[in-house]
Amino acid sequence: NAGVMQNPRHLVRRRGQEARLRCSPMKGHSHVYWYRQLPEEGLKFMVYLQKENIIDESGMPKERFSAEFPKEGPSILRIQQVVRGDSAAYFCASSPYGVDGGLGGKLFFGSGTQLSVL
Amino acid sequence: DAKTTQPNSMESNEEEPVHLPCNHSTISGTDYIHWYRQLPSQGPEYVIHGLTSNVNNRMASLAIAEDRKSSTLILHRATLRDAAVYYCILRGEYGNKLVFGAGTILRVKS
Repeated sequence: NAGVMQNPRHLVRRRGQEARLRCSPMKGHSHVYWYRQLPEEGLKFMVYLQKENIIDESGMPKERFSAEFPKEGPSILRIQQVVRGDSAAYFCASSPYGVDGGLGGKLFFGSGTQLSVL
Repeated sequence: DAKTTQPNSMESNEEEPVHLPCNHSTISGTDYIHWYRQLPSQGPEYVIHGLTSNVNNRMASLAIAEDRKSSTLILHRATLRDAAVYYCILRGEYGNKLVFGAGTILRVKS
C-alpha cells in the first residue's frame, strides 16, 4: 500500500505565477489535511478536507489560497499570484477517518512539496 | 486544542534509552496524546498515541501519568536515525486536526 504521495517534490515559481500542489492520499483514506512549514518554523495547519467538502479551513490565508479534494483524483492546494513569503514546505496528510473514528485519528504524512518563489 | 510543553532540545548517546517529557496540564478527558517525529527534510511520522494507559509499539513506548497531565515518550535504544524533532500533541476526540508546537530536537551522539 503506497504512502501519501505528493508532487511535485520541488516547485519553483516566479512572483505572480500560480502554484498547484497535488496530494494523493493513501488508498481508502477520505480525510486530507494540508500543513505549511516556513523556514526554521513549525508546522502550521491550513485546511482539512473530506471528499468534495472543506471541513475546516481556519488556517488558510484569506486570499490567494484554495484547496479542493474532488470525488476522483488527488487533493489540490492552489496558490494564486505567489509571493516570496509563500516559499515553504507544504505537507499533506491523510487518514481513513476523522479523529472521532474512535481510535484517536492517526495521520499519515507525505514527503512534502518544497515551493520556492523567485 | 490544549497546549503542550516540551524541552527545546535533548541529547542522547547511541544505544542508550531516551525519555522525552511532555507536560499537558490542561488536557481534557477526551484528548488523545499523540507523538510524531520529523526527520530532516521529511514529513512528520507517526510514533505512538494513547489515551489513559501506557502504550508500546515497535518504535517506542508511551508512559502516561495517572492524572494525565504529563507523558513521556521512551525510545529504548536510541540510534543515529532517531535524531529528529519530536512533537507531543493533544488531539480532541471530536477535534479534527493536529496542532504542532515547537517540539523537542533530539540529538544522538555516536
